[in-house]
Amino acid sequence: EAGVAQSPRYKIIEKRQSVAFWCNPISGHATLYWYQQILGQGPKLLIQFQNNGVVDDSQLPKDRFSAERLKGVDSTLKIQPAKLEDSAVYLCASSLFGTSEGWETQYFGPGTRLLVL
Amino acid sequence: DAKTTQPPSMDCAEGRAANLPCNHSTISGNEYVYWYRQIHSQGPQYIIHGLKNNETNEMASLIITEDRKSSTLILPHATLRDTAVYYCIVEEKLTFGTGTRLTIIP
Repeated sequence: EAGVAQSPRYKIIEKRQSVAFWCNPISGHATLYWYQQILGQGPKLLIQFQNNGVVDDSQLPKDRFSAERLKGVDSTLKIQPAKLEDSAVYLCASSLFGTSEGWETQYFGPGTRLLVL
Repeated sequence: DAKTTQPPSMDCAEGRAANLPCNHSTISGNEYVYWYRQIHSQGPQYIIHGLKNNETNEMASLIITEDRKSSTLILPHATLRDTAVYYCIVEEKLTFGTGTRLTIIP
């Protein structure tokens, strides 16, 4: 089966600019996650969607980050305006049901590497 | 904060078994132990999970102590492609620590 797709793979912007990342989860997966991975650290969950509703966005910096999953399939993560400390890899993952159904595997995409200058 | 403690790095000779330890002394009764790995420039990949019993799949074995306060991931015959960062996680919502950087030596 096709995996989680993300684009672009790389992005370089200047601080205070805006940027958007796109994710297409595995077909049929209800739950979608966005993670931020700063160099040398493990991934940190930013937001979790179940279908098109937000389950957890407690660690999303809402003053500059936003995410949507309008039709319960694709998702977009936006940063506006970007700061130097936003330089990181942004990972998208999906799972079949979500935590309400108990444990299940999360499948990760290759990530988008963002560099803010 | 991650609820697990792992050594920052380990080396293992190619063809030998790689044993990666993880301490999770505050694990609660219904929390699973999960292992993921992340090869350079890729997203994390699921390896195995367990609750109380030892588990084995085509990738690895997971040994969980009887008190569930620690576990060991075993890669039985390590290859160069197993070089990666290995994460041990004990929360349903994956909270990654810094993991163990495993290097397989030819």
